[in-house]
Amino acid sequence: SAVISQKPSRDICQRGTSLTIQCQVDSQVTMMFWYRQQPGQSLTLIATANQGSEATYESGFVIDKFPISRPNLTFSTLTVSNMSPEDSSIYLCSVDWTGSITEAFFGQGTRLTVV
Amino acid sequence: AQSVTQLDSQVPVFEEAPVELRCNYSSSVSVYLFWYVQYPNQGLQLLLKYLSGSTLVKGINGFEAEFNKSQTSFHLRKPSVHISDTAEYFCAVSDRGGATNKLIFGTGTLLAVQP
Repeated sequence: SAVISQKPSRDICQRGTSLTIQCQVDSQVTMMFWYRQQPGQSLTLIATANQGSEATYESGFVIDKFPISRPNLTFSTLTVSNMSPEDSSIYLCSVDWTGSITEAFFGQGTRLTVV
Repeated sequence: AQSVTQLDSQVPVFEEAPVELRCNYSSSVSVYLFWYVQYPNQGLQLLLKYLSGSTLVKGINGFEAEFNKSQTSFHLRKPSVHISDTAEYFCAVSDRGGATNKLIFGTGTLLAVQP
């Protein structure tokens, strides 16, 4: 297993502002993923972030709203831009070592509330 | 497109009773199947997974699941639950060898164990 640290663990933000969430892994990984878990709902994949390439976004998510950086094999950030109350969710970072999604681990998540 | 259906949003059960959490998936290709558990205010933890081989898979904390290809199901079972098993349980699927390596999650089942 691995240690995945997300920061911040929670935040309350004003609408119209942006928040950057950090994900740090204690070993090098190829594939990193960002998920959103809206209140009372399941996890939805936002994007896949591979080092050295642009993030791949899922349908319904765009780079302008959720820019992602992946500067190296142990770190990634997700920014939630121009926030509205509808962005209130838990955002989770996930990593997979195998390249075939057979061993995915998740961070503790960032609980975001937009007021 | 793949989808995962968890038929029960909430399952109340008394301590030491058996429990089954149901999961069905729709996919026209071979799949990997997973169960994750999310304790309150925590991230996701892998309970067990089916990749290939024996259709009965044993996981942590006494849980097991059985892959049934003809019924496209992957139900989770435990013969005797504890109060500490109270959590949200998510079933997930991924295409075997798929190019996207994505996890598709069900909507979750809240297991509420009562004394």
